[in-house]
Amino acid sequence: EDQVTQSPEALRLQEGESSSLNCSYTVSGLRGLFWYRQDPGKGPEFLFTLYSAGEEKEKERLKATLTKKESFLHITAPKPEDSATYLCAVQYGGATNKLIFGTGTLLAVQP
Amino acid sequence: EAGVTQFPSHSVIEKGQTVTLRCDPISGHDNLYWYRRVMGKEIKFLLHFVKESKQDESGMPNNRFLAERTGGTYSTLKVQPAELEDSGVYFCASSPPRGSRQFFGPGTRLTVL
Repeated sequence: EDQVTQSPEALRLQEGESSSLNCSYTVSGLRGLFWYRQDPGKGPEFLFTLYSAGEEKEKERLKATLTKKESFLHITAPKPEDSATYLCAVQYGGATNKLIFGTGTLLAVQP
Repeated sequence: EAGVTQFPSHSVIEKGQTVTLRCDPISGHDNLYWYRRVMGKEIKFLLHFVKESKQDESGMPNNRFLAERTGGTYSTLKVQPAELEDSGVYFCASSPPRGSRQFFGPGTRLTVL
């Protein structure tokens, strides 16, 4: 069954303590892997799209990487305002634009 | 530029009643999607419109759910009659004609008692 698995489910970091979130996927014909950030009571906010293995993208303290089976979201020297749920989603196949989401990683950064 | 808007933000209804959710996509976005997150589970796809046509409705759970997009602008998602398991947060998203990135609205939290 096609699926997206994120780990860990929850992560607590001290401000400045770098770490990585993982997203593994088992779909055929990956067209794109998406990272979103979601704050409580809000909709997912787009962060990155990765299209092929070896691709990397950066935005402020965040860096996303992609291999053939997984993606990592690296958070360097996080700040409390980085606290949120981080969602991974994949788009695959040729005929559909639907996103398949993982359950997310809840990140808490303590000052 | 205005983002995706959804109305209402929260709805509480009793089992058996009808509820209609509305989504206004970003202007110019032909693609409109509905997703749902049930408590404790991942966000799941419901359906995809291209303009006023249903491109993919493979995620619609059953015939109690009816989605429409008249004129290719805003969309409505009607649940009739609502059941307890329909409770969750319903998200709408839109994307431009050839764009892969989907822009999400704030969601409608539906509670069925």
